[in-house]
Amino acid sequence: EPEVTQTPSHQVTQMGQEVILRCVPISNHLYFYWYRQILGQKVEFLVSFYNNEISEKSEIFDDQFSVERPDGSNFTLKIRSTKLEDSAMYFCASSGQFNQPQHFGDGTRLSIL
Amino acid sequence: AQKITQTQPGMFVQEKEAVTLDCTYDTSDQSYGLFWYKQPSSGEMIFLIYQGSYDEQNATEGRYSLNFQKARKSANLVISASQLGDSAMYFCAMRVMNTGFQKLVFGTGTRLLVSP
Repeated sequence: EPEVTQTPSHQVTQMGQEVILRCVPISNHLYFYWYRQILGQKVEFLVSFYNNEISEKSEIFDDQFSVERPDGSNFTLKIRSTKLEDSAMYFCASSGQFNQPQHFGDGTRLSIL
Repeated sequence: AQKITQTQPGMFVQEKEAVTLDCTYDTSDQSYGLFWYKQPSSGEMIFLIYQGSYDEQNATEGRYSLNFQKARKSANLVISASQLGDSAMYFCAMRVMNTGFQKLVFGTGTRLLVSP
């Protein structure tokens, strides 16, 4: 069964450094999302992406964050200057049509030191 | 604003018994979708079941069923014949349609522990 793939599974970064989280959505999916989950808390929406542009973003998704689909398969989340509070599990998700369930990757655990 | 409430932080069930995980939601939209995801201790999010607001029948997927009561705004997950592998966090989520895209709003989750 096709799945969403995320790399790396765990990223450790010094505060202030840039980090790029990578995702390969399911190949025929059109809608892409990033969510984050701070340890022990609920999953929070960050951004949705469709037709090569951001369709919606949350208050969390400030100027330090950006997303990109550099080619036909990858979908990346960049955090320009990481803060301690960016430590969380980051999930990529994709869906085929807008009313179909979103399928999540296994997540990238980001630890900021 | 859309909101999902899961009032059970933890639930215990014995193997082979059925368990119901509660979820209530709040939205002014007429068209919405309700989802349940399972998060094992390894951290991944696994889609379990979906219910559309206009679906007349309760959704079922194997041992999972969704008890959808629209008037009460509840979408409880029923797991029949619990297995040890069902021990995990379970999140209820709602699709928000205000922009035409399906941003998901999650509840705080219920930790299910299945005992032998």
